[in-house]
Amino acid sequence: GESVGLHLPTLSVQEGDNSIINCAYSNSASDYFIWYKQESGKGPQFIIDIRSNMDKRQGQRVTVLLNKTVKHLSLQIAATQPGDSAVYFCAENPPIYSTLTFGKGTMLLVSP
Amino acid sequence: GAVVSQHPSWVICKSGTSVKIECRSLDFQATTMFWYRQFPKQSLMLMATSNEGSKATYEQGVEKDKFLINHASLTLSTLTVTSAHPEDSSFYICSARDRTGGNSPLHFGNGTRLTVT
Repeated sequence: GESVGLHLPTLSVQEGDNSIINCAYSNSASDYFIWYKQESGKGPQFIIDIRSNMDKRQGQRVTVLLNKTVKHLSLQIAATQPGDSAVYFCAENPPIYSTLTFGKGTMLLVSP
Repeated sequence: GAVVSQHPSWVICKSGTSVKIECRSLDFQATTMFWYRQFPKQSLMLMATSNEGSKATYEQGVEKDKFLINHASLTLSTLTVTSAHPEDSSFYICSARDRTGGNSPLHFGNGTRLTVT
């Protein structure tokens, strides 16, 4: 199930389940979006990206969906594995801005 | 793929001393690098944008005299935390793009855990 902690919402799933992590972004003019995975004590690692002219993009075991109407982004992980346990951040790139704005993050806990 | 190397990975220092953190792009040139700060169980907060050959651009609320940034080459940016205090203890992460402009991901270093005693 999903719970909201003091700062970081947590999604707990069983190994083999499909996981869906959601993100609401803030700037309707943002034209590029990225999902990152961050393991404890490490920097964020690129997972998948999507441009605003698309509404879906698939990678290996991951799919990103973009709904610009409601400014919503989701990351779907198929057949979740214990190694997927980490914090996942969405990030948006507002136009005429060189860096990314990060969402609050979701901790994914995968139990065997 | 593009690799960003950050050093040191962790550092412990005494209050009042200064600490320098290095960020290198290993296989690409980066005219712009970004420094983030992250508190436990929180998201990344942009501190400043480091521009090669010119002054860094700091985000609102970030003291430029406390967090000195130097971007002397296309592959190296440094962040110096001056006169560190316990409240500066945090996880500092640098990042860079391997080409200018948007529509490409930021690549991140593995962060530096700073503990000020």
